[in-house]
Amino acid sequence: EPEVTQTPSHQVTQMGQEVILRCVPISNHLYFYWYRQILGQKVEFLVSFYNNEISEKSEIFDDQFSVERPDGSNFTLKIRSTKLEDSAMYFCASNVDRGRDIQYFGAGTRLSVL
Amino acid sequence: GESVGLHLPTLSVQEGDNSIINCAYSNSASDYFIWYKQESGKGPQFIIDIRSNMDKRQGQRVTVLLNKTVKHLSLQIAATQPGDSAVYFCAETFNNNDMRFGAGTRLTVKP
Repeated sequence: EPEVTQTPSHQVTQMGQEVILRCVPISNHLYFYWYRQILGQKVEFLVSFYNNEISEKSEIFDDQFSVERPDGSNFTLKIRSTKLEDSAMYFCASNVDRGRDIQYFGAGTRLSVL
Repeated sequence: GESVGLHLPTLSVQEGDNSIINCAYSNSASDYFIWYKQESGKGPQFIIDIRSNMDKRQGQRVTVLLNKTVKHLSLQIAATQPGDSAVYFCAETFNNNDMRFGAGTRLTVKP
């Protein structure tokens, strides 16, 4: 069964450093998403992406964040200068039809900012 | 139910019993709802969905009920098994916009 894959599974970084989280969405999907989940809390929407541009972003997704689809398969989330409070699980998801279709999630990347 | 901060509502059931997990959503215009299951250390997994033109939908051992009058969604799990232990999230969308998750409920199944 096709699945969303994320790498790395765990990323440790120093405060102020840049990190890039990588995702390979399901191949025939058109919409891509990033979510964040702080330990013990709910899953929070960060950004959606379609046709090589951002469709929607939340208030969490400030200027420190960016997304990119550098080639036909990868979808990345970059955090320019990490803060302690960026420590969380980051989930990538994808679906065929935004908003009215099941989103399939990857296993996540745990980001630890020291 | 819903929760604030780190204190997820918890539901503890005996193996074999039925479970009911509740979710109150905020937007009366929401028209598509999904229940996700999240096991420890994993991403959310789809369980069942329902559109706003329905009030009930059944899957294998799971049933989702939608009450638009009071903006309430519930997930019923029949004959709960230890493998059902997880955190369950409801999610809503409206007008083809992006998905928003509820706070989650932790289900613990006692053998």
